Amino acid sequence: KQEVTQIPAALSVPEGENLVLNCSFTDSAIYNLQWFRQDPGKGLTSLLLIQSSQREQTSGRLNASLDKSSGRSTLYIAASQPGDSATYLCAVKPISSGSARQLTFGSGTQLTVLP
Amino acid sequence: DADVTQTPRNRITKTGKRIMLECSQTKGHDRMYWYRQDPGLGLRLIYYSFDVKDINKGEISDGYSVSRQAQAKFSLSLESAIPNQTALYFCATSDLTGTQPQHFGDGTRLSIL
Repeated sequence: KQEVTQIPAALSVPEGENLVLNCSFTDSAIYNLQWFRQDPGKGLTSLLLIQSSQREQTSGRLNASLDKSSGRSTLYIAASQPGDSATYLCAVKPISSGSARQLTFGSGTQLTVLP
Repeated sequence: DADVTQTPRNRITKTGKRIMLECSQTKGHDRMYWYRQDPGLGLRLIYYSFDVKDINKGEISDGYSVSRQAQAKFSLSLESAIPNQTALYFCATSDLTGTQPQHFGDGTRLSIL
């Protein structure tokens, strides 16, 4: 069974710092990996989706990398801002069948960017 | 207006009550999902539907049932609520390919006393 782990569970940084969030998964047989952002009282917003054949994706100050062989992904946030404060979740879509083929989520990293 | 709308947003009820959570979407997506989120845990899939005639159990379907009334509507029911079903519930949609990001509602916070 696919398991997704995100460490640390919480992170606090001063504004302007570059930071890296980590995601690891146990089964490298995946279709894609996604990073989501969750704000309090809100649903999840997709940030980046990396297909299994890709190594990275970029959107603005965000860059996500994928290393399938080692079962790892990182989300790099450049020049962090207080508005980046949120919980960041990664999720993988396994190559499998039935319900196991659906997204498996990590428990998230709660990021606080201090002014 | 939100693309994926969940009602109610908050609900407090008692053990043994029947509860229905509703989800409607304007994205025209075929696929719809129900998840629950507990503190310190990721989202876990309860049920999913690929079209009106297709309903599938997810990882944690026991104690829940669903109904896909139309392409745009997918409801989740707790027939006899118990306290450990207290959680944040999310509805999500995706297109037919399932390769694009899912779109989520804002969630229903459910408390069972």
